[in-house]
Amino acid sequence: KQEVTQIPAALSVPEGENLVLNCSFTDSAIYNLQWFRQDPGKGLTSLLLIQSSQREQTSGRLNASLDKSSGRSTLYIAASQPGDSATYLCAVRPYNFNKFYFGSGTKLNVKP
Amino acid sequence: SAVISQKPSRDICQRGTSLTIQCQVDSQVTMMFWYRQQPGQSLTLIATANQGSEATYESGFVIDKFPISRPNLTFSTLTVSNMSPEDSSIYLCSVQQGLNTEAFFGQGTRLTVV
Repeated sequence: KQEVTQIPAALSVPEGENLVLNCSFTDSAIYNLQWFRQDPGKGLTSLLLIQSSQREQTSGRLNASLDKSSGRSTLYIAASQPGDSATYLCAVRPYNFNKFYFGSGTKLNVKP
Repeated sequence: SAVISQKPSRDICQRGTSLTIQCQVDSQVTMMFWYRQQPGQSLTLIATANQGSEATYESGFVIDKFPISRPNLTFSTLTVSNMSPEDSSIYLCSVQQGLNTEAFFGQGTRLTVV
């Protein structure tokens, strides 16, 4: 069974710092991996989708990488802002499974 | 991308009653899913909503407790039946066009059972 782990569980940084969030998964047989952000009490907003054949994806200040063989993905946030404060979730979709496996999230606080 | 409207956004319900949550998408989608997020936890898949047929439930979830309808490719409902305080969670609708495509989520329904 696929297990997804996110480290750290919480992170507090001053505004302007670059930061990295980590996601690891136990089974490398995946279709893709997707990063989301979730604001308190709200739904999920899609940030980046990386297909299994890709190494990275970029959107604005966000860059996500994927190393399928080692079962790891990172989300890099450049020049963090208070508006980036949220919980960040990664989710993997295994081959032959019609579902996502979610990590428990990293709660990010960016201090002004 | 898909725009998903989920209603209600929140509700406070008495135990023993039922609540039906609606998910409306602005375009036809192949796949629709319902997730639950218990307080402080990550997301757990309840079921896949199948158009015109019975939903496919994950282990631990049953149709009598969580009946789901999907009459067409843009709309689905999830009912939480005979509610107890343990059902207090955020319920989320998600859509995709295929297994290798981006997943989109509604804004969630925050349910509190008292």
